[in-house]
Amino acid sequence: SAVISQKPSRDICQRGTSLTIQCQVDSQVTMMFWYRQQPGQSLTLIATANQGSEATYESGFVIDKFPISRPNLTFSTLTVSNMSPEDSSIYLCSVETGGGGWGTEAFFGQGTRLTVV
Amino acid sequence: GEDVEQSLFLSVREGDSSVINCTYTDSSSTYLYWYKQEPGAGLQLLTYIFSNMDMKQDQRLTVLLNKKDKHLSLRIADTQTGDSAIYFCAAYSGAGSYQLTFGKGTKLSVIP
Repeated sequence: SAVISQKPSRDICQRGTSLTIQCQVDSQVTMMFWYRQQPGQSLTLIATANQGSEATYESGFVIDKFPISRPNLTFSTLTVSNMSPEDSSIYLCSVETGGGGWGTEAFFGQGTRLTVV
Repeated sequence: GEDVEQSLFLSVREGDSSVINCTYTDSSSTYLYWYKQEPGAGLQLLTYIFSNMDMKQDQRLTVLLNKKDKHLSLRIADTQTGDSAIYFCAAYSGAGSYQLTFGKGTKLSVIP
């Protein structure tokens, strides 16, 4: 299993500013994932962050808007840049254990509830 | 790509069984998951089933998989007020893809 600490747990930000969300895992993991959960919606994958390489972004998400750092195997940050009210969401960090084979499990942080005013 | 659908709401009386249904579209999905999200919390993995299984039981939870119809269900026996939460179905294709595809979640309300 993996225990994920994510902070801040919530924030209220002014439009045009940026917020950096931190994700700390209690064990070394190869891949970390960032999801967005908009109000009343499911989870949408923003990007996959591998240590030592550029993050891989899903369609509709770009690095300029959501820069990601992955300095080591236990930590990652997601920045929401130049925020607008449409960015108000819950942002979730996730890791997977099991290497994609049988028993692969995904674990999530408690999420960061972002409100942009 | 994968599409996962769930009904959005379910209301049951305490002590009754709850059945939450999910359908998915990608027949190559190898692992299927149920997550629980309580208010203000992240997602908690409840259980998962491999695609070569029809059923998995874990205490009060029973997962049924109909691979032919691409239908997954989660049954919660003796539902308690503490089971009130949003339940997400998720599908994972594996084969080098590390992306989980989530349904929109079913909000379970348990009436005392």
